[in-house]
Amino acid sequence: SQQGEEDPQALSIQEGENATMNCSYKTSINNLQWYRQNSGRGLVHLILIRSNEREKHSGRLRVTLDTSKKSSSLLITASRAADTASYFCATDGISGGYNKLIFGAGTRLAVHP
Amino acid sequence: ETGVTQTPRHLVMGMTNKKSLKCEQHLGHNAMYWYKQSAKKPLELMFVYNFKEQTENNSVPSRFSPECPNSSHLFLHLHTLQPEDSALYLCASSHSPGQGGYEQYFGPGTRLTVT
Repeated sequence: SQQGEEDPQALSIQEGENATMNCSYKTSINNLQWYRQNSGRGLVHLILIRSNEREKHSGRLRVTLDTSKKSSSLLITASRAADTASYFCATDGISGGYNKLIFGAGTRLAVHP
Repeated sequence: ETGVTQTPRHLVMGMTNKKSLKCEQHLGHNAMYWYKQSAKKPLELMFVYNFKEQTENNSVPSRFSPECPNSSHLFLHLHTLQPEDSALYLCASSHSPGQGGYEQYFGPGTRLTVT
């Protein structure tokens, strides 16, 4: 079964609001990554957080990781219409080899002007 | 766009056709990947190559045949596909774990339709 599961499946907000997406996973990990995908295009890497880190920031993005709860969250602050995309978490598991990432089903974010 | 290119971007093929997808990366990576993305399903890892050697075959049917002639190029040869194989096929590359860095860089994908 899939490793990462995002919540919610879909999120609709107004420009300027914050968007929070959550990810839960099942097994121990080396790191957890977040990716963005615009409709029908390739994925773009956003941020990587290692298992010994609890929080990481990149511009308007804030990622937290709670390994005791096997969960992560992605916060996008002051959202813009251009943030409309699908967001995926991916886990790099300890049992996996050669950088094998397991992706969740994603959260579809719609930011309305 | 990233330093990973894929051709063609769109492909329509019949079930008896043979076609190939091409991926090229200009990032100096040594690991390359094929993924399949179907509607309403999570991204599925198909194959992994590390230093040109296949290290992962995720139970992919033999009608999909990968080829990695060097660390910069990856092909996916297709033959006698089924309509359910219609999907977005994504190529990605990354540094090998031994070189540090784990994020993957994706190409724009090939939208495949099997008729």
